[in-house]
Amino acid sequence: YEVTQPSSVSVSPGQTARITCSGGVLEDKYARWFQQKPGQAPVLVIYRDTERPSGIPERFSGSSSGTTVTLVISGAQVDDEADYYCFCAADNNLGVFGGGTKLTVL
Amino acid sequence: EVQLVQSAAEVKKPGESLKISCKGDGDKYSTYWIGWVRQMPGKGLEWMGVIDLSDSDTRYSPTFQGQVTISADKSTNTAHLQWNSLKASDTAMYYCADGKTGQQMGDHWGQGTLVIVSS
Repeated sequence: YEVTQPSSVSVSPGQTARITCSGGVLEDKYARWFQQKPGQAPVLVIYRDTERPSGIPERFSGSSSGTTVTLVISGAQVDDEADYYCFCAADNNLGVFGGGTKLTVL
Repeated sequence: EVQLVQSAAEVKKPGESLKISCKGDGDKYSTYWIGWVRQMPGKGLEWMGVIDLSDSDTRYSPTFQGQVTISADKSTNTAHLQWNSLKASDTAMYYCADGKTGQQMGDHWGQGTLVIVSS
């Protein structure tokens, strides 16, 4: 199975950025979102479709509808420029990442 | 606080073998899963497989099945990723990530191990 993301999203500072991830597996399995900045390991920003780990700014949120999950960054900041990956795993513990979305805040 | 510590970068020749490691710092890791993720230069994240540190139950992505071996040492909370015969196309950064279950991967990540395969 696979999940699909747009390759790039661009917003101005202060605007809301929305990054989608689509795939049949998302209809009944939770998604996670990871942020990766150049030269750094990924960081979890959303889990269980909508939950935010401690230490992640409130401007990061997630939503889910059918076979699509969405990462929302409200009032995006220049510091949010990064690659974002959705991730999902099936009951057999086989996981898959989306292809990644490069967020530009400019 | 650092929770997952990976082994140092490696430079190898094609055909050589290699085993890299990822050690969980803390007693909690005795019941955790560790996953491995490949990131080729300039490319995205690829899920390779995952192992349960408590009983070495292992799952592989079809892409990596038969190409690598994932193993674990429960006594040291360490997961390993191994190649028997490296290829130039194995050149990548390899990350490990933890999870309370095989599906909940990525609460924490290792710093990455860069593997360079070149003649």
